Amino acid sequence: DAGVIQSPRHEVTEMGQEVTLRCKPISGHDYLFWYRQTMMRGLELLIYFNNNVPIDDSGMPEDRFSAKMPNASFSTLKIQPSEPRDSAVYFCASSSRAGNTEAFFGQGTRLTVV
Amino acid sequence: AQSVAQPEDQVNVAEGNPLTVKCTYSVSGNPYLFWYVQYPNRGLQFLLKYITGDNLVKGSYGFEAEFNKSQTSFHLKKPSALVSDSALYFCAVRGYNQAGTALIFGKGTTLSVSS
Repeated sequence: DAGVIQSPRHEVTEMGQEVTLRCKPISGHDYLFWYRQTMMRGLELLIYFNNNVPIDDSGMPEDRFSAKMPNASFSTLKIQPSEPRDSAVYFCASSSRAGNTEAFFGQGTRLTVV
Repeated sequence: AQSVAQPEDQVNVAEGNPLTVKCTYSVSGNPYLFWYVQYPNRGLQFLLKYITGDNLVKGSYGFEAEFNKSQTSFHLKKPSALVSDSALYFCAVRGYNQAGTALIFGKGTTLSVSS
């Protein structure tokens, strides 16, 4: 398996624009997580899904953020409209069970909003 | 609520010396504990985990971690550091009775190994 695949790797956009980040989890994994990494706040959980259903979105910072998982092999994180404070590295991770198994991370998307 | 604390932002050690990266946790019930490493411009890579059993867990690249329930700690260790171990290290926790939850991470500790 190629692991968790995220696209794009880098995104530079202007304030106010819509940004869509994409993730393909490892085949067979039924949990998918979106995290955000910044220097100030470290690694924050934004939202996670189980069997394509959102379970906990309490980490989503504002209504400008939304996430979907239309099927088991694809998820998106959308920011509309984007703001400079959204600049961060966004990671997607997946795991087979959310108990004693580790999560596997993608390479991340570095988002810069100017 | 679950939480993880990594009290040191940075740990400096000379190559060949032992290293310790500290982690303490707070969780209701028994914990599942994890260590990850992040190299520059890369995602997080899994190193090792404690689920149950022996308190000393061995993982990738010669790393090990010791679970101490009374001190609620899970420190990462390596007997002899390498320059290539320089990276950002994250500790993470999930409650045993919270199988449907996500990993909660500490803020990370930067390990710098000098030659």
